[in-house]
Amino acid sequence: KQEVTQIPAALSVPEGENLVLNCSFTDSAIYNLQWFRQDPGKGLTSLLLIQSSQREQTSGRLNASLDKSSGRSTLYIAASQPGDSATYLCAVDNFNKFYFGSGTKLNVKP
Amino acid sequence: DADVTQTPRNRITKTGKRIMLECSQTKGHDRMYWYRQDPGLGLRLIYYSFDVKDINKGEISDGYSVSRQAQAKFSLSLESAIPNQTALYFCATAPPVGSSGELFFGEGSRLTVL
Repeated sequence: KQEVTQIPAALSVPEGENLVLNCSFTDSAIYNLQWFRQDPGKGLTSLLLIQSSQREQTSGRLNASLDKSSGRSTLYIAASQPGDSATYLCAVDNFNKFYFGSGTKLNVKP
Repeated sequence: DADVTQTPRNRITKTGKRIMLECSQTKGHDRMYWYRQDPGLGLRLIYYSFDVKDINKGEISDGYSVSRQAQAKFSLSLESAIPNQTALYFCATAPPVGSSGELFFGEGSRLTVL
């Protein structure tokens, strides 16, 4: 069974810092990997989707990388802002089943 | 209107009651999923479906049942609710493998069982 782990579980940084969130998975036979943002009590909003054949995807201040062979993905957030405070989850698609990490709770202090 | 709509958004009920959570989508996706989210446990898969004739159990299906009434509608039922089913429930949809495969979520249904 696929196991997805996210480190750290929580992170607090001052505004303006660049930061990296980590996601690891045990089964490299994935179709894609997706990063989500979740605000408290809300649904999940898709941030970036990386297909298994891709190495990275970028959207604005966000950059996600994928190393399928080593079972790792990182989400890089540049110049963090208080509005980035949320929980970030990664999910892997094992060809029809999606497995989620427990998330990294990010707090960006003004 | 949202692409993936869940109703009700909030529900408080009593132990032993039957509850149905409904999900409808306008994205035309074949794959539909029900997850529950508990603090510290992440999202866990309850049931998933690839079309109206294809229903599959997830990792925590006990105490739940589902119905895929149409391609666009996927309902989750709790036949006799119990307090440890108190959670935030999410419906999600995705296009077939071979396309983008991007997963889309509804806003969630918060269920409290007293």
